[in-house]
Amino acid sequence: GAVVSQHPSRVICKSGTSVKIECRSLDFQATTMFWYRQFPKQSLMLMATSNEGSKATYEQGVEKDKFLINHASLTLSTLTVTSAHPEDSSFYICSGALSTEAFFGQGTRLTVV
Amino acid sequence: GESVGLHLPTLSVQEGDNSIINCAYSNSASDYFIWYKQESGKGPQFIIDIRSNMDKRQGQRVTVLLNKTVKHLSLQIAATQPGDSAVYFCAENRYTGFQKLVFGTGTRLLVSP
Repeated sequence: GAVVSQHPSRVICKSGTSVKIECRSLDFQATTMFWYRQFPKQSLMLMATSNEGSKATYEQGVEKDKFLINHASLTLSTLTVTSAHPEDSSFYICSGALSTEAFFGQGTRLTVV
Repeated sequence: GESVGLHLPTLSVQEGDNSIINCAYSNSASDYFIWYKQESGKGPQFIIDIRSNMDKRQGQRVTVLLNKTVKHLSLQIAATQPGDSAVYFCAENRYTGFQKLVFGTGTRLLVSP
């Protein structure tokens, strides 16, 4: 299957700083990528849909100014958590869409201290 | 509201047993369903999918059953192995031009040797 690479896999940052997470489709072009957040022992919740060359579409309740998404190329989408706070600590997962399938990255564990 | 949910949060089985993980969905218009396996600290891994024009689909050691009448989905794993221990999610693919997934709450499968 297609491969989606996410980087970094783990990051610890201080409260108030910003963190960028990268999501790359390695062997296919993803015009659409999705960003999910998963709290411990909970399901994946869709945060936003990232479209190449246009603005992201955010789910209800997700602050677009806090979670900045950039999809500048067909193989790269980035999620920047701005002014991170401890409550933003979570597992962030991206997926790239290819035809009817979604291929997931390995996830990024963000810890804000 | 619309949701995809699971009946059992944790399922413990012995190695070699058959496992059945259930999922209920509420959107009768849904026409595509996917089962994912998620190991600790990793992104979801595709297991098997099924479209609404089918009621059964088989893969290697896995079978998905779809009952549209009662809006129920199940994943059967034959001869469960310790390596099958993980959290399993059903997901509903609401195709709106791209693959927007709604995940169920998840079932943790524990396989004892």
